[in-house]
Amino acid sequence: DTGVSQDPRHKITKRGQNVTFRCDPISEHNRLYWYRQTLGQGPEFLTYFQNEAQLEKSRLLSDRFSAERPKGSFSTLEIQRTEQGDSAMYLCASSPSGSVMNTEAFFGQGTRLTVV
Amino acid sequence: AQSVAQPEDQVNVAEGNPLTVKCTYSVSGNPYLFWYVQYPNRGLQFLLKYITGDNLVKGSYGFEAEFNKSQTSFHLKKPSALVSDSALYFCAVRERYKLSFGAGTTVTVRA
Repeated sequence: DTGVSQDPRHKITKRGQNVTFRCDPISEHNRLYWYRQTLGQGPEFLTYFQNEAQLEKSRLLSDRFSAERPKGSFSTLEIQRTEQGDSAMYLCASSPSGSVMNTEAFFGQGTRLTVV
Repeated sequence: AQSVAQPEDQVNVAEGNPLTVKCTYSVSGNPYLFWYVQYPNRGLQFLLKYITGDNLVKGSYGFEAEFNKSQTSFHLKKPSALVSDSALYFCAVRERYKLSFGAGTTVTVRA
């Protein structure tokens, strides 16, 4: 499968614990995005990487959230001191180089986080 | 800020009938519009996009969308719906690096 891969697919954690998600983008894609989707809503943008550089962060990304893409390939999203409000589907997407405005993003299947 | 709205939470059609999923947009400048579909427990799949050019855009799985500048709309259409088209559909607009999505429309196609 050459699509965007996310791991784990599901995560249940207790409030206050830290969690980390991994995303492996399509291999030739240099752009990587994280989104969050809650029930009944469309995905909301969290952050964007071009290669290893984090170029944009949403104000939704509180200081408990951190994302990295150390070698410009895979990315991790860490949530510290999880809260029940963090329960959501976390989606990763990637897109190739070229005009950022007119290239579509390819999404992974997501990681569903449940904070209990 | 760029935004899209999907005025219908749900659309129900009979198999073989035309399917339309509505989307309106609000942008400053030229709009870059996208449609995605989400099946249960699956990620979003790209259907089609409007960047410039012809107002009728053709995409995957027999879907097409009509861009209407005067009505600021980008409705998704399929001439003959299939039961397998039942899913959650999202309209989105590109604003620099990010996509801003609508709330989604659940499509149910009954046999």
